[in-house]
Order: sequence, then C-alpha cells, then structure tokens
Amino acid sequence: EAGVTQSPTHLIKTRGQQATLRCSPISGHTSVYWYQQALGLGLQFLLWYDEGEERNRGNFPPRFSGRQFPNYSSELNVNALELEDSALYLCASSTTGTRRSYEQYFGPGTRLTVT
Amino acid sequence: GDSVTQMEGPVTLSEEAFLTINCTYTATGYPSLFWYVQYPGEGLQLLLKATKADDKGSNKGFEATYRKETTSFHLEKGSVQVSDSAVYFCALSVNSGYALNFGKGTSLLVTP
Repeated sequence: EAGVTQSPTHLIKTRGQQATLRCSPISGHTSVYWYQQALGLGLQFLLWYDEGEERNRGNFPPRFSGRQFPNYSSELNVNALELEDSALYLCASSTTGTRRSYEQYFGPGTRLTVT
Repeated sequence: GDSVTQMEGPVTLSEEAFLTINCTYTATGYPSLFWYVQYPGEGLQLLLKATKADDKGSNKGFEATYRKETTSFHLEKGSVQVSDSAVYFCALSVNSGYALNFGKGTSLLVTP
C-alpha cells in the first residue's frame, strides 16, 4: 500500500513569491494535516483538513492557506514568502469517524528554501 | 495548554547500551500518546502508541508505558543498534482539533 506522498521534494523561492506544496494521503484516509518543521522550532501544526473542510488551524498567519480536493489530496499555499518560512513541510494523513485512533502517517516532506 | 516535554539531546550511546528517552506531558482530558522517529533526510515514522493509561506500546524492540499518575511516556530499548541513530519525537493528541502536539525531539547517536 502506498504511503503519503508529497511534491515537490525541494522548492526554492525568493522572498515575496508564492509557494504551492502538494500532498496525497494514504488510500482510504480522509484527513490531511500540515506541519512545519523549522530549524530550532520543532514541529508546529499548521492546518487540518477533513472531508474537504478546514477543521482547525495552528498559530500561523493567514498567508498560510490550503485546500482539500474531492479525492482527499491537499495543497498548502504560502503567500508573500518570508525568509523564516524556510523549513521542511510535512503532510500527514489519518482515518476519521468513530474508529479513529488519532495516529497520523507522515510523508517525506517538502523542503522549502526562501532566498 | 497541551504540551510535551522531552529530554534534551543529543544522546550518544555505544552499540548494545540501554536507552531511555524521557517524555512528560500536560493535557486536558485523556490524550493518546505516540513516539515518532525521524531518520536523516526522511519524514516521521510512527514507532509506537498508547491510547489509555497503563497501555504499553512496543515496536522494533522499543517500549513505552502510558503512566497517568506521573504524566509520562518514556521510551526505552534494551540494546540499541547503530541503525537506531535518529531523532525521536514524543507526541500527544487530544480530542479537540486532532492535531499532534510534539515535543522538541531528542537526537540519538549510536556508535559502534
């Protein structure tokens, strides 16, 4: 069974540009989560999508946004990029419903570098 | 708010040594607890989990017991290998939001 996939692997942008990161969840998973892993800041929760809706968001400015498509894949958009947005962006997926077990399965990440 | 505290690294051990990485948590309600491992250049892999008090999670020789009385979920392994060198993250999840709340991670280096 295929795991969570993310693209691209690496992304280099200049300050002020926009970045788009993509994630495909494990087949059968309807929830997608985005996390930022910045050097020295650990793993910070960004966004949670479930059944096409944004369910929760972490303490990040509105220029971090995203969406979930009908096939449950997801996009993370970062507008007006700043140098401190340089980080590894991790996507995770999980099941939902009454049998959810809260465990999340992670993709390999997209390394975003802002110059 | 909910939080996870892990021991600071890096931890350096010789092969076959005993490993303990401490993790304590603060949470409202009854969280599920997890250990994730991140090998160099890779994403996170779920190592083990426990969903209620006194549960023991285990995988690949690693173990952790959910201790509600001490709000702890320490990771242990009896005999580490060079291939265990990685960063280990303790995490919790509570009902609201379902987001994982991670500790800062503990880097482990195992030398031959």
